[in-house]
Amino acid sequence: DTEVTQTPKHLVMGMTNKKSLKCEQHMGHRAMYWYKQKAKKPPELMFVYSYEKLSINESVPSRFSPECPNSSLLNLHLHALQPEDSALYLCASSQDLSGRKRDTQYFGPGTRLTVL
Amino acid sequence: ELKVEQNPLFLSMQEGKNYTIYCNYSTTSDRLYWYRQDPGKSLESLFVLLSNGAVKQEGRLMASLDTKARLSTLHITAAVHDLSATYFCAVDRIFQGGSQGNLIFGKGTKLSVKP
Repeated sequence: DTEVTQTPKHLVMGMTNKKSLKCEQHMGHRAMYWYKQKAKKPPELMFVYSYEKLSINESVPSRFSPECPNSSLLNLHLHALQPEDSALYLCASSQDLSGRKRDTQYFGPGTRLTVL
Repeated sequence: ELKVEQNPLFLSMQEGKNYTIYCNYSTTSDRLYWYRQDPGKSLESLFVLLSNGAVKQEGRLMASLDTKARLSTLHITAAVHDLSATYFCAVDRIFQGGSQGNLIFGKGTKLSVKP
């Protein structure tokens, strides 16, 4: 099973709202990622978690707050977003980050976020 | 800085024709990925190319990797409408010590196959 699930599929929120995106995988992967994809653009990395610890933060604004409560779950908490944050948010996972265990990243279906 | 360049960015082709998408990258890497993305959907892994000279085929798609030239190709044979999608190549960003970072994606090639 190479499935990564994400909820919700679609989210519309106002600039004062607080919401969360959820990602889940049961492949035993220890690396999980959040990417942001604007229309007609390639995905761009936001965060990488390795063994439930934040490994990479690509200078993402603090209105995006990631959380990895356990090895299967990855959340992205959203607060006071701007309309330009509207995008497809993709979660991905891979076996490990270490050189010998580098593996394909498997992507979830994404959450289509619209900020009004 | 690792850069990944794809060309063409847009490709309109007729069913039954052959074509090749090119992916160049700027630094040494031993692993290259091809993904497919349908409109409004997520990325589907097509190929992982692990070594110089690697060639993989799935249906009408064949991917190859030349690490010396830092070039990968995705060849489409006898295109059909169902292949219409955006195709991304991507390369691992590798940190000192060999740990993997994120994928660096090319801009994508939007393929449209017409009857």
